[in-house]
Amino acid sequence: GAVVSQHPSWVICKSGTSVKIECRSLDFQATTMFWYRQFPKQSLMLMATSNEGSKATYEQGVEKDKFLINHASLTLSTLTVTSAHPEDSSFYICSARTDGNQPQHFGDGTRLSIL
Amino acid sequence: EDKVVQSPLSLVVHEGDTVTLNCSYEVTNFRSLLWYKQEKKAPTFLFMLTSSGIEKKSGRLSSILDKKELFSILNITATQTGDSAIYLCAVDSGNTPLVFGKGTRLSVIA
Repeated sequence: GAVVSQHPSWVICKSGTSVKIECRSLDFQATTMFWYRQFPKQSLMLMATSNEGSKATYEQGVEKDKFLINHASLTLSTLTVTSAHPEDSSFYICSARTDGNQPQHFGDGTRLSIL
Repeated sequence: EDKVVQSPLSLVVHEGDTVTLNCSYEVTNFRSLLWYKQEKKAPTFLFMLTSSGIEKKSGRLSSILDKKELFSILNITATQTGDSAIYLCAVDSGNTPLVFGKGTRLSVIA
């Protein structure tokens, strides 16, 4: 149980392109979903927290107009990197949980490379 | 400031060895401590600990929490090469984001 699916797993695209990443909870309803970014050999850095039906809460330093998050249902959240540039290249990971008493379960991550 | 400190940062052992990974924390509020294993992809959930002194076990892996001394350990017995990964410890304080340690990179050699 507690499977989180993230798609796509790998994206390579040109600078200026917008990229959408999907995060789905397959066998549970995710009240809260989280989006992280991870640079090589570093720990996960939380970008934003989204609750179903509400606007996402962004961490300090994360541009909300750059990283658009939508959490329209209890099983799906999307992260759109708008007008991506090479410095946006990173490993993006989502996680989901049912409620605060349950652990976060992570998707497999999306490796984004902007040329 | 909330913080989670893991030790050692890296460890190399031979197959069959037993390893103990450490995680200490200082947080304002404590709800739970979580252990994750990260290989090439995203972290996979191992354990969630909320109560002191109660060991959680899954196969060759086990973990325990000491809320008085503010630490947890993750034990892996009879290690295998497939155990090679980064092991992450994180503390959940409730309404704030998970606070992650920097991880312990475990390498198990044949």
